[in-house]
Amino acid sequence: QSVLTQPPSVSGAPGQRVTMTCTGSSSNIGAGYDVHWYRQLPGTAPKLLIHTTDRRPSGVPDRFSGSKSGTSASLVITGLQADDEGDYYCQSYDRGRQSYDSGLTGSLVFGGGTKLTVL
Amino acid sequence: VQLQESGPALVRPSQTLSLTCNVSGASISSTGYYWSWIRQSPGKGLEWIGYISNTGNTNYNPSLKGRLTMSSDASKNQFSLQLSSVTAADTAVYYCARLVTIVQTLNPWGQGSLVTVSS
Repeated sequence: QSVLTQPPSVSGAPGQRVTMTCTGSSSNIGAGYDVHWYRQLPGTAPKLLIHTTDRRPSGVPDRFSGSKSGTSASLVITGLQADDEGDYYCQSYDRGRQSYDSGLTGSLVFGGGTKLTVL
Repeated sequence: VQLQESGPALVRPSQTLSLTCNVSGASISSTGYYWSWIRQSPGKGLEWIGYISNTGNTNYNPSLKGRLTMSSDASKNQFSLQLSSVTAADTAVYYCARLVTIVQTLNPWGQGSLVTVSS
């Protein structure tokens, strides 16, 4: 059971717009912590797609955008392309869990991932 | 910056899983970065394991309840993970990643190391 909730799958036709959601709680997204998005292609490691809720790393096209409101965040992909397929994960920080060890508190939390299919 | 995991691919139940992440292109002693482990069970989502700071402080996922130890070796520019009393549930691809502390993003990631727990 992931701390952040994502729909298991979304789909869209080439050229369309799709939206993926990421729902958290008052101890993570709702507490004001940023949301980040990663894309994972089969057999490869996740790669940062969006950081700090709505910022794109160099090389990520502006077809990808992020936003946040309340306890939820969204990733929007416009002009859908076949090679956008993959698994998309959201990630944030949660202040509600005490560290087992001393020194640092809080946890990184992930969503369960959304599989994007381009029809 | 590149990260590369290494360690045994097969671990017996009740034994200790040990992995090392070798970092190149950046110093693990640099400020602004922590060094993280994340795992992904077959067909499942991402689970944050923990991280070690540039000064050696650690922060673990509470769900691992005392089975986890992270360490680092600045002279070799690498950090390590030890997970004790493993079971089949610990079978996963283990990733190491750099945590950018100012934004709490994981970037970049290593390619991942599949560890199977089986007798």
